[in-house]
Amino acid sequence: SQQGEEDPQALSIQEGENATMNCSYKTSINNLQWYRQNSGRGLVHLILIRSNEREKHSGRLRVTLDTSKKSSSLLITASRAADTASYFCATAPNTGGFKTIFGAGTRLFVKA
Amino acid sequence: EPEVTQTPSHQVTQMGQEVILRCVPISNHLYFYWYRQILGQKVEFLVSFYNNEISEKSEIFDDQFSVERPDGSNFTLKIRSTKLEDSAMYFCASSGQNSYEQYFGPGTRLTVT
Repeated sequence: SQQGEEDPQALSIQEGENATMNCSYKTSINNLQWYRQNSGRGLVHLILIRSNEREKHSGRLRVTLDTSKKSSSLLITASRAADTASYFCATAPNTGGFKTIFGAGTRLFVKA
Repeated sequence: EPEVTQTPSHQVTQMGQEVILRCVPISNHLYFYWYRQILGQKVEFLVSFYNNEISEKSEIFDDQFSVERPDGSNFTLKIRSTKLEDSAMYFCASSGQNSYEQYFGPGTRLTVT
């Protein structure tokens, strides 16, 4: 089964607009994380939200988690051209290890 | 700021050859990971390593793969006999004690011809 499925698959917005990406998952989790990947580069950790948290902020990022719906959203406010990247949600299953399962990602394009 | 480094950045090899991908995790981290990303696809977990042994591995991590921490700084992934389908970006990551926040290296692009 797929774990950590993002939607939309691709999103194109104007600079200054907000971008919202969603993630759904299937199994019980310990936490959910969001990562950014610029084209052809490594992944950069953005934010981690634990299963007992509902919302978390970091700068222009706002993450929500609804464990009853097994879903999360990442909101980037006042987007900039430099935010253009792929964004992945990643879940840590509640199985006691540190294994992290990534979704397929949302490709965000912010037009200047 | 400390970072995870990986070498080489690009490796081209012929099918059937052995390759070793190298990583230097962040120095005080205790958990080490390898992931791969086939072009255009999602990042897939391969293996996690803690206390000098594999702690978890995926079904992708078969007998052709092995990991090693030969000294206090390097963490390597060996593919014994490469196949065409092993062509991918391979990412190393590390995390600290009781931390899910993983720091990723820039990746090694492996091309098997």
